[in-house]
Amino acid sequence: AQSVAQPEDQVNVAEGNPLTVKCTYSVSGNPYLFWYVQYPNRGLQFLLKYITGDNLVKGSYGFEAEFNKSQTSFHLKKPSALVSDSALYFCAVRDIGDSNYQLIWGAGTKLIIKP
Amino acid sequence: EAGVAQSPRYKIIEKRQSVAFWCNPISGHATLYWYQQILGQGPKLLIQFQNNGVVDDSQLPKDRFSAERLKGVDSTLKIQPAKLEDSAVYLCASSKREATEAFFGQGTRLTVV
Repeated sequence: AQSVAQPEDQVNVAEGNPLTVKCTYSVSGNPYLFWYVQYPNRGLQFLLKYITGDNLVKGSYGFEAEFNKSQTSFHLKKPSALVSDSALYFCAVRDIGDSNYQLIWGAGTKLIIKP
Repeated sequence: EAGVAQSPRYKIIEKRQSVAFWCNPISGHATLYWYQQILGQGPKLLIQFQNNGVVDDSQLPKDRFSAERLKGVDSTLKIQPAKLEDSAVYLCASSKREATEAFFGQGTRLTVV
């Protein structure tokens, strides 16, 4: 069965420090992988995606993510955190071979950046 | 380009009443999704349209929820009758093709009292 795991409910980072939000996935075929961010009382905003090519993907607001096929992971990273990065982050995966193209979502990780 | 438009932003109704949400996707996006997001949880797909056809409605509670996408553009999601556990944010999203990223509207926050 397809699934996405975000093992940390909450991640606390000091401003200026690097941050990592973890995501692992399970699909039967090859994955399309996505990260979204949700600010309070807002809809989800697309951050970045991995479809094919370079394992390191760069996205909006200085975020990047690294696709690791052997570890089935797609961790979100940023070299220097800002207080404004505090939000809810969701990882999602789609199996390329799924004819319904269903998007499977993680439960989300709350990121708190402290000044 | 204009984003996904949803209305209303907020709605409060009593249980057993009916409610409808409206979504206008990004122009040219063939795929449209309705999600339910309960506070603190990830989004749960209710229904997915490809143009005006239903691709996936396996998690739609069909005894009380219905959705349509006439002419393959705008969509409405209806709940009748509403229950307390329907209190959630209802998100609409659209994408150009099934394999690309989805863009979300700001959502409708429904409170059933």
